[in-house]
Amino acid sequence: AQTVTQSQPEMSVQEAETVTLSCTYDTSESDYYLFWYKQPPSRQMILVIRQEAYKQQNATENRFSVNFQKAAKSFSLKISDSQLGDAAMYFCAYRRARDDKIIFGKGTRLHILP
Amino acid sequence: SAVISQKPSRDICQRGTSLTIQCQVDSQVTMMFWYRQQPGQSLTLIATANQGSEATYESGFVIDKFPISRPNLTFSTLTVSNMSPEDSSIYLCSVVQGGDNQPQHFGDGTRLSIL
Repeated sequence: AQTVTQSQPEMSVQEAETVTLSCTYDTSESDYYLFWYKQPPSRQMILVIRQEAYKQQNATENRFSVNFQKAAKSFSLKISDSQLGDAAMYFCAYRRARDDKIIFGKGTRLHILP
Repeated sequence: SAVISQKPSRDICQRGTSLTIQCQVDSQVTMMFWYRQQPGQSLTLIATANQGSEATYESGFVIDKFPISRPNLTFSTLTVSNMSPEDSSIYLCSVVQGGDNQPQHFGDGTRLSIL
């Protein structure tokens, strides 16, 4: 069975600094997708960034980028120039290509210090 | 991306009653899912809502407790039956709008509290 592990329950970063959130996963599938979702206190799940497993190039979305290491089954999220609005719960997610089911990690709560 | 409307946004219910949560999408979607997020926890998949057939439930979830309907490609309901305080959670609907590598998008969730 697939699993997603986020080893950092909470993290803090100074505003304008850079922070990296860790995620590892376990799967025997070859075709899958990886995502980072953000859940602010409003509880809405917001897609931050996604990565296709077949792509070697790391995905980037403005201040957000990933370090995808397929062999190591690692998928970390880097947030540059952290802003107060980045404070939220961040979930790493794995999705099987064959049935679109998503498995979420337990989440990392990110605090931004002014 | 699809606009997902989930109703109600929150409710407080009595033990032993049932509540139906609605998920309406503004366009046809291929896949619809229902998740539960218990307080302070991550999201757990309850079931895949299949259009025109019975939902596919994950381990630990059964149809008698969480009946699901999906009459068409834009609408689904989740009923939480015979509720107990352990059912107090956020319930989220999510959709995939077709095509490979399309992400799942989520509704705003229903916060359910059982007294």
